[in-house]
Amino acid sequence: DQQVKQNSPSLSVQEGRISILNCDYTNSMFDYFLWYKKYPAEGPTFLISISSIKDKNEDGRFTVFLNKSAKHLSLHIVPSQPGDSAVYFCAASDALRPGGKLIFGQGTELSVKP
Amino acid sequence: DGGITQSPKYLFRKEGQNVTLSCEQNLNHDAMYWYRQDPGQGLRLIYYSQIVNDFQKGDIAEGYSVSREKKESFPLTVTSAQKNPTAFYLCASSTLEGSNQPQHFGDGTRLSIL
Repeated sequence: DQQVKQNSPSLSVQEGRISILNCDYTNSMFDYFLWYKKYPAEGPTFLISISSIKDKNEDGRFTVFLNKSAKHLSLHIVPSQPGDSAVYFCAASDALRPGGKLIFGQGTELSVKP
Repeated sequence: DGGITQSPKYLFRKEGQNVTLSCEQNLNHDAMYWYRQDPGQGLRLIYYSQIVNDFQKGDIAEGYSVSREKKESFPLTVTSAQKNPTAFYLCASSTLEGSNQPQHFGDGTRLSIL
């Protein structure tokens, strides 16, 4: 069963506009959510995270929103830049998963066009 | 420079052969993880370790083995029992101090079958 889902495999956005990447989860025990960015042939890079006690976390151009009742989180990138073109993974964990184990979504490939 | 080093970047395996992927970190992190990524899929956890000389199976451990003899090192062996080993393998580490710490990744090893 896919506990963390990113239903859009790809997204194309014009430079300067907002990119919105979505992620849904099914396990109500998840209490920590992360977004990673990945370029081809490289490892994922941690971008931003949010704890379930918050509904928003902001870091520069990146904002993550969490809607616990809908079991949905989103990553907003404003303004989008060509260098943001990459695959974005959301991930989740819960306090009951020992060792901080993460469950990853399938990823969304973002393309930012000049 | 602190980080996670994976080697080699590319690896080829013959039928019936065991191969070992190296992962070294100098971040003084307690926990280390191995993930596998297949095309169009998220990262799936193979094994993880929270402390030296101890490790736990992840979601897809069959056909793999690990060791954790030193805090800095967590090598992964892909055995001949793994029937579909072609994938991108990622090593990660994290501190276990405090709660909700992100995992940091190496740049991966791409394993192919000859």
